[in-house]
Amino acid sequence: NAGVTQTPKFQVLKTGQSMTLQCAQDMNHNSMYWYRQDPGMGLRLIYYSASEGTTDKGEVPNGYNVSRLNKREFSLRLESAAPSQTSVYFCASSGTSVPYNEQFFGPGTRLTVL
Amino acid sequence: KQEVTQIPAALSVPEGENLVLNCSFTDSAIYNLQWFRQDPGKGLTSLLLIQSSQREQTSGRLNASLDKSSGRSTLYIAASQPGDSATYLCAVKGYSTLTFGKGTMLLVSP
Repeated sequence: NAGVTQTPKFQVLKTGQSMTLQCAQDMNHNSMYWYRQDPGMGLRLIYYSASEGTTDKGEVPNGYNVSRLNKREFSLRLESAAPSQTSVYFCASSGTSVPYNEQFFGPGTRLTVL
Repeated sequence: KQEVTQIPAALSVPEGENLVLNCSFTDSAIYNLQWFRQDPGKGLTSLLLIQSSQREQTSGRLNASLDKSSGRSTLYIAASQPGDSATYLCAVKGYSTLTFGKGTMLLVSP
Protein backbone atom coordinates (compact mmCIF):
# COMPACT_ATOMS: atom_id res chain seq x y z
CA ASN A 1 0.00 0.00 0.00
CA ALA A 2 1.44 3.37 -1.03
CA GLY A 3 -1.10 5.31 1.09
CA VAL A 4 -1.49 8.88 -0.22
CA THR A 5 0.79 9.93 -3.06
CA GLN A 6 1.30 13.41 -4.48
CA THR A 7 2.98 14.71 -7.63
CA PRO A 8 5.07 16.70 -8.17
CA LYS A 9 7.22 16.98 -5.03
CA PHE A 10 8.61 20.39 -5.99
CA GLN A 11 7.50 23.04 -8.47
CA VAL A 12 8.55 26.57 -9.39
CA LEU A 13 6.10 28.72 -11.34
CA LYS A 14 6.09 32.25 -12.65
CA THR A 15 3.22 34.56 -11.77
CA GLY A 16 0.28 33.87 -14.06
CA GLN A 17 1.23 30.31 -14.97
CA SER A 18 -1.13 27.45 -14.28
CA MET A 19 -0.56 23.99 -12.92
CA THR A 20 -2.34 20.97 -11.48
CA LEU A 21 -1.29 19.13 -8.35
CA GLN A 22 -2.16 15.45 -8.40
CA CYS A 23 -3.17 13.27 -5.46
CA ALA A 24 -4.09 9.60 -5.29
CA GLN A 25 -4.93 7.20 -2.46
CA ASP A 26 -5.13 3.43 -2.43
CA MET A 27 -6.98 2.97 0.88
CA ASN A 28 -10.50 2.97 -0.61
CA HIS A 29 -11.30 6.15 1.32
CA ASN A 30 -14.42 8.15 0.52
CA SER A 31 -13.11 11.55 1.65
CA MET A 32 -10.18 13.53 0.31
CA TYR A 33 -8.75 16.93 1.24
CA TRP A 34 -6.34 19.61 0.08
CA TYR A 35 -4.48 21.75 2.65
CA ARG A 36 -1.82 24.40 2.47
CA GLN A 37 0.78 24.95 5.19
CA ASP A 38 2.41 28.33 5.72
CA PRO A 39 4.80 29.48 8.47
CA GLY A 40 2.87 31.02 11.35
CA MET A 41 -0.51 30.10 9.81
CA GLY A 42 -0.53 26.38 10.34
CA LEU A 43 -2.47 24.01 8.10
CA ARG A 44 -5.53 25.43 6.39
CA LEU A 45 -8.12 23.56 4.37
CA ILE A 46 -8.49 24.64 0.73
CA TYR A 47 -11.11 22.20 -0.61
CA TYR A 48 -12.43 18.81 0.30
CA SER A 49 -14.45 16.02 -1.27
CA ALA A 50 -16.63 14.11 1.19
CA SER A 51 -17.39 11.45 -1.41
CA GLU A 52 -16.90 10.77 -5.10
CA GLY A 53 -18.79 13.33 -7.12
CA THR A 54 -18.88 16.05 -4.46
CA THR A 55 -16.54 18.91 -3.62
CA ASP A 56 -16.80 21.74 -1.08
CA LYS A 57 -14.87 24.85 -0.21
CA GLY A 58 -12.70 24.98 2.84
CA GLU A 59 -11.22 27.95 4.67
CA VAL A 60 -9.05 29.35 1.83
CA PRO A 61 -10.50 28.34 -1.59
CA ASN A 62 -9.86 31.54 -3.58
CA GLY A 63 -7.54 31.03 -6.54
CA TYR A 64 -7.97 27.26 -6.62
CA ASN A 65 -10.18 24.68 -8.30
CA VAL A 66 -10.48 20.97 -7.63
CA SER A 67 -11.62 17.85 -9.44
CA ARG A 68 -12.56 14.54 -7.86
CA LEU A 69 -11.65 12.43 -10.87
CA ASN A 70 -12.74 9.13 -9.31
CA LYS A 71 -12.69 7.57 -5.85
CA ARG A 72 -8.88 7.37 -5.84
CA GLU A 73 -7.86 10.72 -7.31
CA PHE A 74 -8.36 14.35 -6.27
CA SER A 75 -6.54 17.14 -8.12
CA LEU A 76 -5.93 20.79 -7.23
CA ARG A 77 -5.56 23.37 -9.98
CA LEU A 78 -4.05 26.84 -9.85
CA GLU A 79 -5.37 28.68 -12.90
CA SER A 80 -3.21 31.81 -12.59
CA ALA A 81 -0.55 31.42 -9.92
CA ALA A 82 0.27 34.31 -7.58
CA PRO A 83 3.22 34.75 -5.18
CA SER A 84 0.72 34.46 -2.29
CA GLN A 85 0.20 30.83 -3.34
CA THR A 86 3.80 29.95 -2.50
CA SER A 87 3.29 27.24 0.09
CA VAL A 88 3.50 23.56 0.90
CA TYR A 89 0.42 21.70 -0.28
CA PHE A 90 -0.76 18.50 1.37
CA CYS A 91 -3.37 16.04 0.21
CA ALA A 92 -5.11 13.79 2.73
CA SER A 93 -7.77 11.11 2.78
CA SER A 94 -9.98 9.37 5.30
CA GLY A 95 -12.80 6.93 5.64
CA THR A 96 -16.20 8.26 6.60
CA SER A 97 -17.39 6.30 9.59
CA VAL A 98 -15.95 5.25 12.93
CA PRO A 99 -13.41 3.70 13.33
CA TYR A 100 -12.18 4.41 9.81
CA ASN A 101 -12.22 8.20 10.03
CA GLU A 102 -8.52 8.67 10.70
CA GLN A 103 -6.98 11.14 8.26
CA PHE A 104 -3.79 10.18 6.40
CA PHE A 105 -1.51 12.66 4.65
CA GLY A 106 0.67 12.61 1.56
CA PRO A 107 4.30 13.82 1.53
CA GLY A 108 3.45 17.28 0.19
CA THR A 109 4.24 19.48 -2.82
CA ARG A 110 6.52 22.45 -2.27
CA LEU A 111 5.41 25.23 -4.62
CA THR A 112 7.21 28.50 -5.22
CA VAL A 113 5.60 31.23 -7.33
CA LEU A 114 8.01 33.90 -8.53
CA LYS B 1 -15.65 28.86 14.24
CA GLN B 2 -13.49 26.18 15.84
CA GLU B 3 -10.14 27.37 17.17
CA VAL B 4 -7.37 25.05 18.33
CA THR B 5 -4.53 26.23 20.55
CA GLN B 6 -1.39 24.32 21.42
CA ILE B 7 0.80 25.15 24.39
CA PRO B 8 3.74 25.43 24.58
CA ALA B 9 4.77 26.54 21.09
CA ALA B 10 8.23 25.10 21.67
CA LEU B 11 9.75 22.79 24.23
CA SER B 12 13.31 21.66 24.86
CA VAL B 13 14.02 18.75 27.23
CA PRO B 14 16.89 16.39 28.02
CA GLU B 15 16.63 12.78 26.94
CA GLY B 16 14.70 10.54 29.31
CA GLU B 17 12.20 13.11 30.56
CA ASN B 18 8.48 12.48 30.55
CA LEU B 19 6.59 15.37 28.98
CA VAL B 20 3.10 16.64 28.27
CA LEU B 21 1.90 18.60 25.26
CA ASN B 22 -1.38 20.48 25.56
CA CYS B 23 -4.16 21.15 23.08
CA SER B 24 -7.35 23.12 23.67
CA PHE B 25 -10.33 23.72 21.39
CA THR B 26 -13.25 26.12 21.59
CA ASP B 27 -16.16 24.02 20.26
CA SER B 28 -16.76 20.74 22.07
CA ALA B 29 -18.98 19.37 19.27
CA ILE B 30 -16.24 17.25 17.73
CA TYR B 31 -16.23 13.81 16.13
CA ASN B 32 -12.63 12.96 16.94
CA LEU B 33 -9.21 14.39 17.76
CA GLN B 34 -5.95 13.40 16.11
CA TRP B 35 -2.36 13.94 17.14
CA PHE B 36 0.21 14.13 14.32
CA ARG B 37 3.96 14.31 14.13
CA GLN B 38 5.75 16.36 11.45
CA ASP B 39 9.49 16.15 10.82
CA PRO B 40 11.17 19.13 9.09
CA GLY B 41 10.38 19.21 5.39
CA LYS B 42 8.13 16.15 5.64
CA GLY B 43 4.45 15.30 5.68
CA LEU B 44 2.25 14.56 8.67
CA THR B 45 2.29 11.19 10.37
CA SER B 46 -0.78 10.23 12.38
CA LEU B 47 0.16 9.20 15.93
CA LEU B 48 -3.13 8.71 17.73
CA LEU B 49 -6.83 9.12 17.00
CA ILE B 50 -9.33 9.53 19.83
CA GLN B 51 -12.99 9.19 18.93
CA SER B 52 -15.40 11.60 20.65
CA SER B 53 -16.76 8.79 22.84
CA GLN B 54 -13.29 7.80 24.09
CA ARG B 55 -11.23 9.24 26.93
CA GLU B 56 -7.75 8.12 25.91
CA GLN B 57 -5.63 6.16 23.48
CA THR B 58 -2.19 4.64 23.89
CA SER B 59 0.49 3.66 21.42
CA GLY B 60 3.86 2.60 22.79
CA ARG B 61 5.34 5.48 24.79
CA LEU B 62 2.54 7.82 23.73
CA ASN B 63 -0.72 8.39 25.58
CA ALA B 64 -3.35 10.88 24.50
CA SER B 65 -6.33 11.93 26.58
CA LEU B 66 -9.49 13.78 25.62
CA ASP B 67 -11.84 15.81 27.82
CA LYS B 68 -14.52 16.99 25.41
CA SER B 69 -16.54 18.94 27.93
CA SER B 70 -13.59 21.13 28.89
CA GLY B 71 -12.21 21.29 25.34
CA ARG B 72 -8.82 19.81 26.18
CA SER B 73 -6.48 17.07 25.09
CA THR B 74 -3.00 16.14 26.26
CA LEU B 75 -0.28 14.08 24.61
CA TYR B 76 1.99 12.37 27.11
CA ILE B 77 5.39 11.15 25.90
CA ALA B 78 7.20 8.82 28.28
CA ALA B 79 10.97 8.52 28.47
CA SER B 80 11.65 10.95 25.64
CA GLN B 81 14.36 10.20 23.07
CA PRO B 82 16.26 12.40 20.57
CA GLY B 83 14.28 10.68 17.80
CA ASP B 84 11.11 12.22 19.26
CA SER B 85 12.31 15.65 18.14
CA ALA B 86 9.67 16.99 15.73
CA THR B 87 6.64 19.25 15.61
CA TYR B 88 3.49 17.78 17.15
CA LEU B 89 0.14 18.89 15.79
CA CYS B 90 -3.28 18.49 17.31
CA ALA B 91 -6.38 18.52 15.08
CA VAL B 92 -10.10 18.26 15.87
CA LYS B 93 -12.71 16.98 13.46
CA GLY B 94 -16.00 18.77 13.08
CA TYR B 95 -18.79 17.59 10.77
CA SER B 96 -16.61 17.36 7.68
CA THR B 97 -13.14 18.71 8.25
CA LEU B 98 -10.15 18.91 10.57
CA THR B 99 -9.08 22.13 12.28
CA PHE B 100 -5.42 22.22 13.24
CA GLY B 101 -3.45 23.89 15.98
CA LYS B 102 -0.15 25.54 15.08
CA GLY B 103 1.86 22.83 16.78
CA THR B 104 4.45 22.34 19.50
CA MET B 105 8.06 22.10 18.32
CA LEU B 106 9.84 19.56 20.52
CA LEU B 107 13.61 19.20 20.84
CA VAL B 108 14.99 16.31 22.89
CA SER B 109 18.70 16.65 23.51
CA PRO B 110 21.01 13.68 24.19
